[in-house]
Amino acid sequence: ETGVTQSPTHLIKTRGQQVTLRCSSQSGHNTVSWYQQALGQGPQFIFQYYREEENGRGNFPPRFSGLQFPNYSSELNVNALELDDSALYLCASSQDRQHEQYFGPGTRLTVT
Amino acid sequence: RKEVEQDPGPFNVPEGATVAFNCTYSNSASQSFFWYRQDCRKEPKLLMSVYSSGNEDGRFTAQLNRASQYISLLIRDSKLSDSATYLCVVLDGSARQLTFGSGTQLTVLP
Repeated sequence: ETGVTQSPTHLIKTRGQQVTLRCSSQSGHNTVSWYQQALGQGPQFIFQYYREEENGRGNFPPRFSGLQFPNYSSELNVNALELDDSALYLCASSQDRQHEQYFGPGTRLTVT
Repeated sequence: RKEVEQDPGPFNVPEGATVAFNCTYSNSASQSFFWYRQDCRKEPKLLMSVYSSGNEDGRFTAQLNRASQYISLLIRDSKLSDSATYLCVVLDGSARQLTFGSGTQLTVLP
């Protein structure tokens, strides 16, 4: 086990709704990255938080936003959900930005 | 052109076989390289980092060729438990973003 936890495990939402996903990083890790994985694809980078600040962003619209807290846990918020947002959302933690990233079990989001 | 390209497979091999996966990446400024393993409907798990000199961990050997922008993974003496999707992963030059290939599916048959 990596020590990275995510909640909830599964979630079903309706188009247009908003969702918040949570991630607790591994002890000693100060960097959290979020990824979206559609079925049959590799994970796609959404953004990274390092010491409570956004430290890089992938090709996702502004309705994807996040936070990192002083204990280095993190949230991913998605507004105005679309059907294509249905995916596995993964968070990964690392010690600083240079090190290997370890993934949590993911949140499977279904938008209907 | 995709940033990280892998042969999607599937690779179906008998137990005990040797299998090799290849991967190419497009960003010459990429900083670090990894192989992750992902079981069905589970999270990716770090299998090994890939170093310029090549590295080995038991039955697994990884190679990196920066000049050709090419990464490989060799699995010797395949076990049934090796069945999974293997993801080639590149860390960009700013050390922020992991870029994943689409994965190569391996099934080891009894």
